[in-house]
Amino acid sequence: GEDVEQSLFLSVREGDSSVINCTYTDSSSTYLYWYKQEPGAGLQLLTYIFSNMDMKQDQRLTVLLNKKDKHLSLRIADTQTGDSAIYFCAERRGDDKIIFGKGTRLHILP
Amino acid sequence: EAGVAQSPRYKIIEKRQSVAFWCNPISGHATLYWYQQILGQGPKLLIQFQNNGVVDDSQLPKDRFSAERLKGVDSTLKIQPAKLEDSAVYLCASSPLKGGKRNTIYFGEGSWLTVV
Repeated sequence: GEDVEQSLFLSVREGDSSVINCTYTDSSSTYLYWYKQEPGAGLQLLTYIFSNMDMKQDQRLTVLLNKKDKHLSLRIADTQTGDSAIYFCAERRGDDKIIFGKGTRLHILP
Repeated sequence: EAGVAQSPRYKIIEKRQSVAFWCNPISGHATLYWYQQILGQGPKLLIQFQNNGVVDDSQLPKDRFSAERLKGVDSTLKIQPAKLEDSAVYLCASSPLKGGKRNTIYFGEGSWLTVV
């Protein structure tokens, strides 16, 4: 497909792990990104992964990349109320354009 | 390090009026982007500058939108005349051309436009 696909909503209990999934479009994409957007704010870069890697860990964040399936995931360990936000997946395509998904709204249950 | 600055943060105008948004990128960043984010959607690239030249404006509605970056630093995005469907957040972003951060882009807080 032409679009970066993400599920629109995810609800997780505080303290559990959150896993947000994304399917991207271009097998020649060089970089894949995860951005966080809180209400009324711009996009904050959380992490990114180069296409020749299959995993990247940064504190509570783990990014997994499956190039064969063009699938990217973001795992947030020990989810906190401050993690409540919209998470955007983005790819830098072979033509150097950066394309965003529609975002996954993460809701934290008490 | 100061982030990407945008103004105004909020603007309400009537349809057919004009509006202009200003962006000051992170110091030293050669690449500047304007994105449009409609409620419930991801950001869509409108125009990309490298220094003061346009790299990509293929999704800019040129009959009503214009953007410039005359001295390769600040940029303005103008909409004239505005339509109801232009209601969105206009996000400015920048990235360096060289160095370890050249593949990341940094966003401002956005300018929220409501057209009534």
